[in-house]
Amino acid sequence: DAMVIQNPRYQVTQFGKPVTLSCSQTLNHNVMYWYQQKSSQAPKLLFHYYDKDFNNEADTPDNFQSRRPNTSFCFLDIRSPGLGDAAMYLCATSRDRQWSTDTQYFGPGTRLTVL
Amino acid sequence: AQKVTQAQTEISVVEKEDVTLDCVYETRDTTYYLFWYKQPPSGELVFLIRRNSFDEQNEISGRYSWNFQKSTSSFNFTITASQVVDSAVYFCALSRDTGFQKLVFGTGTRLLVSP
Repeated sequence: DAMVIQNPRYQVTQFGKPVTLSCSQTLNHNVMYWYQQKSSQAPKLLFHYYDKDFNNEADTPDNFQSRRPNTSFCFLDIRSPGLGDAAMYLCATSRDRQWSTDTQYFGPGTRLTVL
Repeated sequence: AQKVTQAQTEISVVEKEDVTLDCVYETRDTTYYLFWYKQPPSGELVFLIRRNSFDEQNEISGRYSWNFQKSTSSFNFTITASQVVDSAVYFCALSRDTGFQKLVFGTGTRLLVSP
């Protein structure tokens, strides 16, 4: 059974048109992450939620926002997508943030196309 | 600053061949964690292994083995008797041990195993 679910798997939007990507998890994990992965590149962490505490990476553009209404769901909002935002967006979860014991579990990703 | 280098962009092998994926890292920390993730065509990153910097023992899991050498700052991954299902992009990653620190990924190695 899928533990980290991302919807939709493929999203097409127009330049400048707001878009929301969804992630849900059945693991009851405290931490949820959003990564951006451009073609042939490493995943890049955008931000993460530790419970309700939002943690933004310093180099994440303001165009990217996130919401976590409850433990199970987390959303990525792109307010005005540009062509450079076309990428795979990966959601991940972990029980906590202790790398000695915690593992990040990833969803299958949403591939975003910007026309 | 932390950095992970995966110099091999793409490797092609024929089924049943052994293959080694190289990972070289840079860090000034004395304690840290190293990881390998597999990203099959379906998109999700799958956790393979975590290694603490104090534990230099090599590890074997089925056809997979990992060679950690602090002296050369390397954490190489070997697949023995490769199979078509091993075709994927493999990422090496590094994290600090203290507090929350994001995973720093290498750029990945694409492994193609042909029948």
